[in-house]
Formats: sequence, C-alpha cells, structure tokens
Amino acid sequence: DAGVIQSPRHEVTEMGQEVTLRCKPISGHDYLFWYRQTMMRGLELLIYFNNNVPIDDSGMPEDRFSAKMPNASFSTLKIQPSEPRDSAVYFCASTPEQGAKTQYFGPGTRLLVL
Amino acid sequence: DAKTTQPPSMDCAEGRAANLPCNHSTISGNEYVYWYRQIHSQGPQYIIHGLKNNETNEMASLIITEDRKSSTLILPHATLRDTAVYYCIVSGAGGTSYGKLTFGQGTILTVHP
Repeated sequence: DAGVIQSPRHEVTEMGQEVTLRCKPISGHDYLFWYRQTMMRGLELLIYFNNNVPIDDSGMPEDRFSAKMPNASFSTLKIQPSEPRDSAVYFCASTPEQGAKTQYFGPGTRLLVL
Repeated sequence: DAKTTQPPSMDCAEGRAANLPCNHSTISGNEYVYWYRQIHSQGPQYIIHGLKNNETNEMASLIITEDRKSSTLILPHATLRDTAVYYCIVSGAGGTSYGKLTFGQGTILTVHP
C-alpha cells in the first residue's frame, strides 16, 4: 500500500494567492483528517470527513480555509487568500475504523506564504 | 479528553530500552491511552494504544498502571531511527471526541550511539 499521499510536498506562494493542498487517503479508509502543525501551536485538527461528508470543521481557522472531499479517494484543502500566518506543515491522515484514533498520516505539505 | 504530562526530553543509549512516561491523572473510565511518534520532517506515526491492560506489538510495549493515572511506553531495544518526538494522547473512542486526536508537546527522545 502506498500510504496516504499528499501533494505538493512543498509550496511557496505570495500573500493573497490561492493555495490548494491535495490528499489521497489509503484505499478503503472511510475517515479523512486534515491537520496543521506550527511551532507555536503544535499539531491541530482542522477538519475531518466520514464517507466524503464533513463531520467536524470546528478547527478550521477562518473562512479563508475550505476543504472538500468529492470522492473517496481525493480531498483538497484550499486557502484563499493566503496570508503569511498560514505558513505551516499541513498533514492529511486517514483511518478505516469508526471512532478509531489509529490514524495513518501522510508526509505533509510544507507551505510558506511570503 | 484528559490532559497528559510528559517530560520534554529524554536520552537513551542505542540498544538499551527506552522508557517514556506519561501522566494522565484525570483519565476517565472510557478513555484510551494512545502513543504516536513523529520523526523529523515526517507525519506522525501510530505506535500503540490501550485501555486497561498492558499491550505489546512489534514496535513497543505499553504499561498502564492499575489506577490508570499513568503509563509508560517501552521501546525494548532503541535504535538511532527511534529518535523522534513521542506523543501520549488520552481520548475516548467516541462521543464528542470522536475522531479527534489532541497532540500536546510530547517528549523528544534522542537515541545516542
């Protein structure tokens, strides 16, 4: 199994630009999670999906952030417009188990907003 | 979810057992103890979890005290590749904490040659 796949691995953009991060969960996993990691705030859950439906988006910082899961094998996290404070590593994770905390994380996307 | 307390850093000699402690004195009856680790520049990796009984898998052992207020993750023969940040997380399996992992600051384990 290829594991959770994220793209791009690195992204450098200028303030005000739209940024789209992509994730392909492990096949057969019904739950998909988006996390953000910064030095100041550590690792934070942004949103998660079950069977392509957003279940809890309370961690999404503001309206500039949006996430979609159009099908079981693909999810996007979009930031529009981006700001320097959005610079972070964004992780996607998936799990097949209801209520499970045994999540499988992707390698992350390192975002730098100038 | 119950709060956890871990030492900020620990050292271990290669080949020795690494024992990483975690205090979770406010843990409730239906909350599990989960351990993850994060190697530099990688995503977190699930290690092991338990409720009451001690658990062992190919990666590590988890020892939970009888009162469940603390636990220890044991890496029996640490290698240089085990150098990472280790997170102890206490969380219920469902309800309002469903699906949520709350990561603290963790313990930075450094394995020396």
